[in-house]
Amino acid sequence: GAGVSQSPSNKVTEKGKDVELRCDPISGHTALYWYRQSLGQGLEFLIYFQGNSAPDKSGLPSDRFSAERTGGSVSTLTIQRTQQEDSAVYLCASSSGQGRRDEQFFGPGTRLTVL
Amino acid sequence: RKEVEQDPGPFNVPEGATVAFNCTYSNSASQSFFWYRQDCRKEPKLLMSVYSSGNEDGRFTAQLNRASQYISLLIRDSKLSDSATYLCVVMTGTASKLTFGTGTRLQVTL
Repeated sequence: GAGVSQSPSNKVTEKGKDVELRCDPISGHTALYWYRQSLGQGLEFLIYFQGNSAPDKSGLPSDRFSAERTGGSVSTLTIQRTQQEDSAVYLCASSSGQGRRDEQFFGPGTRLTVL
Repeated sequence: RKEVEQDPGPFNVPEGATVAFNCTYSNSASQSFFWYRQDCRKEPKLLMSVYSSGNEDGRFTAQLNRASQYISLLIRDSKLSDSATYLCVVMTGTASKLTFGTGTRLQVTL
């Protein structure tokens, strides 16, 4: 079946502009995660959605970052007033949400470049 | 101190060699442990979970030492296709969010 998909694959924007990144999780997966990976850095957790529960936003680096998950499926990550330090690969992952050893399946990522 | 620490490498080994990576984690309450593999400019993919009793999957063996808070990955009979970055991953708490190490880069050569 289809894996996690993300769009766009690449995004170049100017400092100060807003961007929206999209994630389509694997059908039926109730858990959805956003991470970012900066050059030479490990993956950094941003936000986690599980079913209808309130999202865990503890990893969002500033109030310029927000995310939504509509209808328990597609998610969008929005970055307002982008800064150069926001340049990174933004990865979305989904899992069945049924246990701690659930495998998280990652999408191919969106490479964001802020000029 | 980082939550998950790994030697970044690179580890350059010839085909057929055995190579081992270690990883340490700082939170003693961590509950689940994994090794992920990430190829250049690709997304991470689960290689294997790590269990307290140790577990093996073909040429790959993972070990967990809770007392010392470290995790290891052993690759036997290295193949060229094993060249990648290996990410040590720890799950802590109830949110199932993963904490990733920065990865250890492996380059297998002829």
